[in-house]
Amino acid sequence: DVKVTQSSRYLVKRTGEKVFLECVQDMDHENMFWYRQDPGLGLRLIYFSYDVKMKEKGDIPEGYSVSREKKERFSLILESASTNQTSMYLCASSSGVFILGGSQHFGDGTRLSIL
Amino acid sequence: EDQVTQSPEALRLQEGESSSLNCSYTVSGLRGLFWYRQDPGKGPEFLFTLYSAGEEKEKERLKATLTKKESFLHITAPKPEDSATYLCAVQNTGTASKLTFGTGTRLQVTL
Repeated sequence: DVKVTQSSRYLVKRTGEKVFLECVQDMDHENMFWYRQDPGLGLRLIYFSYDVKMKEKGDIPEGYSVSREKKERFSLILESASTNQTSMYLCASSSGVFILGGSQHFGDGTRLSIL
Repeated sequence: EDQVTQSPEALRLQEGESSSLNCSYTVSGLRGLFWYRQDPGKGPEFLFTLYSAGEEKEKERLKATLTKKESFLHITAPKPEDSATYLCAVQNTGTASKLTFGTGTRLQVTL
């Protein structure tokens, strides 16, 4: 079974702090994704990566950056946290780049509160 | 821009009462349509991928179907353990692995 592990289930940080969310997958997947999930808005893609050191902006990249130094690890960085970044953050991975139907496998999320 | 709309927002069923969830989509070129189940406090869990109109997939009490404009998730004789939020997502042929999600249908099955 694919395992996607997010480093923290709950995190509380202060406005202006630099925040790191970590994600590790154990299935040698090429693609990794960061989403945020908010009530009434669904899952929105922040950034994704299809290879080591490669990254692509998703639909809402403002205020975030990412790092992928190793294939199994994808980090989301909040450069200067703000209260509107309080949310559930979900990491996912999938195999292949342009193959059909690459289903994404999700971690259990990090609930981040910015005070 | 790809769009996914799910209805109803919430659905309450009695055990054994069959029903369907709807996912309407707009996409320039459909590579695949995905259904996920999400339990409270957990990440989404993959259920099905559908690729072309007319296709159907089944898993236990769940059956997913696809037309050119929408997909249905039929739940036959549901049980309380089927209670969850069901998410629909589409993948565009032009955007590689990216998925666009709907906001989900929250299903509650009572005894």
